[in-house]
Amino acid sequence: DAMVIQNPRYQVTQFGKPVTLSCSQTLNHNVMYWYQQKSSQAPKLLFHYYDKDFNNEADTPDNFQSRRPNTSFCFLDIRSPGLGDAAMYLCATRHGADTQYFGPGTRLTVL
Amino acid sequence: AQRVTQPEKLLSVFKGAPVELKCNYSYSGSPELFWYVQYSRQRLQLLLRHISRESIKGFTADLNKGETSFHLKKPFAQEEDSAMYYCALSVGSSGSRLTFGEGTQLTVNP
Repeated sequence: DAMVIQNPRYQVTQFGKPVTLSCSQTLNHNVMYWYQQKSSQAPKLLFHYYDKDFNNEADTPDNFQSRRPNTSFCFLDIRSPGLGDAAMYLCATRHGADTQYFGPGTRLTVL
Repeated sequence: AQRVTQPEKLLSVFKGAPVELKCNYSYSGSPELFWYVQYSRQRLQLLLRHISRESIKGFTADLNKGETSFHLKKPFAQEEDSAMYYCALSVGSSGSRLTFGEGTQLTVNP
């Protein structure tokens, strides 16, 4: 059974058109993460929520926002996607001292 | 700032041969180290973590603080081991914020 679900798996948007990526979890984990992974590069942490507390990485562009309306869902909003934002976006969850569980990712294409 | 280096982007071995995937890190404190694996068309998943000191799928990794390394080893590679392997470091509470290396694509040839 899928525990960390990301929708859609593939997303195409236009340059400058806002886009939202979705992540949901059935694990009831208190921490949720968003990573950006560009081609042939390491996953890079954008931000994470510890319960409702939002933690932004220092080098995450302002163009990237996140919402976590409840424990199960977390959204990544890209306000004005540029060509450089084309990447795989990974969601992950964690609880306590456990490790992180990753979703399958959403591949974003910007035209 | 912490950093993880995986010097080999590609590694190819024959089935039954030993394999070692290198990982070096830089961090002044006491990090926690992980190996994650991504098989073709599957999600990123934990392979092993140094605090567990366990062997998963025949793989082991020992943290060497003197050499700041956490190399992944397996004595006899199998074709199903072909995958992308990422070394990762956590500096927060266990697993809280991961810094990944750029990964090594392992191919095990028949």
